Amino acid sequence: QVQLLESGPGLVRPWETLSLTCTVSGGSINNYYWSWIRQPPGKGLEWIGNIYYSGSSNYNPSFKRRVTISVDTSKNRLSLELRPVSAADTAVYYCARGGRFSYDYNDSWGQGTLVTVSS
Amino acid sequence: QSALTQPASLSGSPGQSITISCTGTNSDVGGYNFVSWYQQHPGKAPKLIIYEVINRPSGISSRFSGSKSGNTASLTISGLQTEDEALYSCMSYTNSGSQVFGGGTRVTVL
Repeated sequence: QVQLLESGPGLVRPWETLSLTCTVSGGSINNYYWSWIRQPPGKGLEWIGNIYYSGSSNYNPSFKRRVTISVDTSKNRLSLELRPVSAADTAVYYCARGGRFSYDYNDSWGQGTLVTVSS
Repeated sequence: QSALTQPASLSGSPGQSITISCTGTNSDVGGYNFVSWYQQHPGKAPKLIIYEVINRPSGISSRFSGSKSGNTASLTISGLQTEDEALYSCMSYTNSGSQVFGGGTRVTVL
């Protein structure tokens, strides 16, 4: 069974860059799309973007100018960068596995990691 | 992109059925059969319960069912149980190649 684990700083200062990593174990990152999704405290889920193992990516237009998602197949992991951040970016960030197509659902999720943006 | 529209909250008594709506546009829900539903208990990660409008993953109770009419997808929970109390979110593929979530519906079992 595939497992996903998000990691990164829990606190980021305003105007800096939020950087997170998602490590995939129990399965290969190859042949799947992988997504980043976030959830501000007490609010709903928000799709940030996804990436195919080959590097092809899609982004939420609301984030497009600020976000970069990358994949490292040799290390079986994907990364998220969001810049510059503000308090509105405080959220639990999840990575999730999609399918073989960009329209596929997310069937496996990480536990999530809380990122707080504050000075 | 605009979030799909879901009721903020719904409640029901044990054994009852409830239906959660998820309304979008021709550019997302109405244009594709790529709607999925997720159940999320407090402090936990979301869990897939319906995919491609009507399909249940292995291990998901048959009490959960999905449907779609026009620009509105729906999730029905039959025979409501206390463990069904959770946040339910829909997600749809869009014609811009992205995905979009609904705002989430908090279900309370009275």
